Amino acid sequence: EAGVVQSPRYKIIEKKQPVAFWCNPISGHNTLYWYLQNLGQGPELLIRYENEEAVDDSQLPKDRFSAERLKGVDSTLKIQPAELGDSAVYLCASSLGQGEQFFGPGTRLTVL
Amino acid sequence: TQLLEQSPQFLSIQEGENLTVYCNSSSVFSSLQWYRQEPGEGPVLLVTVVTGGEVKKLKRLTFQFGDARKDSSLHITAAQPGDTGLYLCAGAGSSNTGKLIFGQGTTLQVKP
Repeated sequence: EAGVVQSPRYKIIEKKQPVAFWCNPISGHNTLYWYLQNLGQGPELLIRYENEEAVDDSQLPKDRFSAERLKGVDSTLKIQPAELGDSAVYLCASSLGQGEQFFGPGTRLTVL
Repeated sequence: TQLLEQSPQFLSIQEGENLTVYCNSSSVFSSLQWYRQEPGEGPVLLVTVVTGGEVKKLKRLTFQFGDARKDSSLHITAAQPGDTGLYLCAGAGSSNTGKLIFGQGTTLQVKP
């Protein structure tokens, strides 16, 4: 069975440009999470979806970040405009309800 | 705000040595998880401890949950180069939302 798929794996952009990340969770997993991970640090939750509903977006910087999961399956996280401090790894995870979270490989973003 | 402090942050040892990583908090968690993350990959769950005082073993790894469910430790016996990676502890609150609070991680390097 395929794991959590994320694309792209790497992205380099200049500051003030927009960027989008895509996540396809494990089939059947209704809960989807987006995390931000700085180098050598633990992941920090940005947003959590149950099906298509964002049930926890308290840590999402809404002035520049947005996310959607329109059909309750795959999800997109967008940053517009990107800032230098947004350079990090963006991880997507999925779970069946509140069960074990399975993480994707992440998208490494570099903002120049 | 629930926080998890991991120590040490960095550990470089020789193959065959033993080590212990600590995860501490002033908050009570309903469960605590340990993950291992390799470069370019997402975290992978190693174990979940639920009961205060619980001890779980996974080959050369021993995990313990504190009696008060505020702290945990990971002990590795006879470390091997394949144990190299970032070790993360993550606590789940009592609200059963699936939300995890991650520690900042311990980077372990085992030299042959």
